[in-house]
Amino acid sequence: GAVVSQHPSWVICKSGTSVKIECRSLDFQATTMFWYRQFPKQSLMLMATSNEGSKATYEQGVEKDKFLINHASLTLSTLTVTSAHPEDSSFYICSARDRLYDRDYGYTFGSGTRLTVV
Amino acid sequence: LAKTTQPISMDSYEGQEVNITCSHNNIATNDYITWYQQFPSQGPRFIIQGYKTKVTNEVASLFIPADRKSSTLSLPRVSLSDTAVYYCLVGGGSSGSARQLTFGSGTQLTVLP
Repeated sequence: GAVVSQHPSWVICKSGTSVKIECRSLDFQATTMFWYRQFPKQSLMLMATSNEGSKATYEQGVEKDKFLINHASLTLSTLTVTSAHPEDSSFYICSARDRLYDRDYGYTFGSGTRLTVV
Repeated sequence: LAKTTQPISMDSYEGQEVNITCSHNNIATNDYITWYQQFPSQGPRFIIQGYKTKVTNEVASLFIPADRKSSTLSLPRVSLSDTAVYYCLVGGGSSGSARQLTFGSGTQLTVLP
């Protein structure tokens, strides 16, 4: 089945530094990938839609200059949290769908990245 | 985007059948209904997807009435390891470019011994 690999699974960084999270589709190509953020005991909130070869589309309230998204190939999207602050600490999850499927068996999600900013 | 409504939480005992119902009154004609399971600190995992009537796989069944305004996920004989949050989503259906999925609040299922 479709596999999405997300790396790292957890990261601790100091305030003011930047952190990059990678999302890779291992056995399929994904024209579009999605980035979510999840705070404890809450649901997933869509942050942005990442499109291969073009600019990402951000949800209202998400700062595009703070959360930089790059989708340079059909198998890799990256999310960079710039100048991280403690309030950016959260669980970040990516998802993708195989572009070859007309109707797939759902979107495949990465295992998530736990970001802690100290 | 179709909004979904689910119970916030449910408790069950091992070996029982669990049914979680989701309301999606404004589902679009080409929307599919998909259920995901999420354990703490993990990404959601696909359980089952359907469009209408009944779908069954090795882990669950999905019942969808004719009007498609609701759906019920049925988990047979749950075990402690089924304790998780279950999300019902509509959208992301057939053809064209991938569309974003919007997560509702989900249902926290707790299976008790």
